[in-house]
Amino acid sequence: LAKTTQPISMDSYEGQEVNITCSHNNIATNDYITWYQQFPSQGPRFIIQGYKTKVTNEVASLFIPADRKSSTLSLPRVSLSDTAVYYCLVGAANQAGTALIFGKGTTLSVSS
Amino acid sequence: NAGVTQTPKFRILKIGQSMTLQCTQDMNHNYMYWYRQDPGMGLKLIYYSVGAGITDKGEVPNGYNVSRSTTEDFPLRLELAAPSQTSVYFCASSYPGQTTYEQYFGPGTRLTVT
Repeated sequence: LAKTTQPISMDSYEGQEVNITCSHNNIATNDYITWYQQFPSQGPRFIIQGYKTKVTNEVASLFIPADRKSSTLSLPRVSLSDTAVYYCLVGAANQAGTALIFGKGTTLSVSS
Repeated sequence: NAGVTQTPKFRILKIGQSMTLQCTQDMNHNYMYWYRQDPGMGLKLIYYSVGAGITDKGEVPNGYNVSRSTTEDFPLRLELAAPSQTSVYFCASSYPGQTTYEQYFGPGTRLTVT
């Protein structure tokens, strides 16, 4: 299981682009990188997943360099409603149980 | 689809009491999980199941038991509740695909043991 390191907190203003970087130096060949979002008093919600290069969906983009030892979640033009905790996870896509461990995450605070 | 549902939403237990946290999913997912989240912390895996009749321990299984008699239901049993079990409990499910590993979480059960 690859250990991940991400900032504890970040601050931003509405309309700005936010980039949250996660380090995973020991990522294995068959590991995927997955990001979740959690609002207070709610369960985590899947945002995006990728293996290499760039992945984009309607919510965010995920940038993964060639060595895959880090990844960056990019949130375009954040709003107050993007204030949440963001978790970076690394694990094999088809492996159950202990493959996915949630750390403390990055608390993003968006102000007006 | 209702997704993943959990009951109850809130519960206060006295030390030594027992209770069952209910979890049901209607997405026909094979994998189901129980996590706990202590204040200001990330989630920790308690138990998981890869299908009906199959369960396995996660990172913090002590004090808990699970069963999986159907694909839909994955109840978590607390025996002899202790203050250390005060936490928010999340149930999740997923479909074991090759290229995606999206877990769907329930709304959580907030448990206080006093």
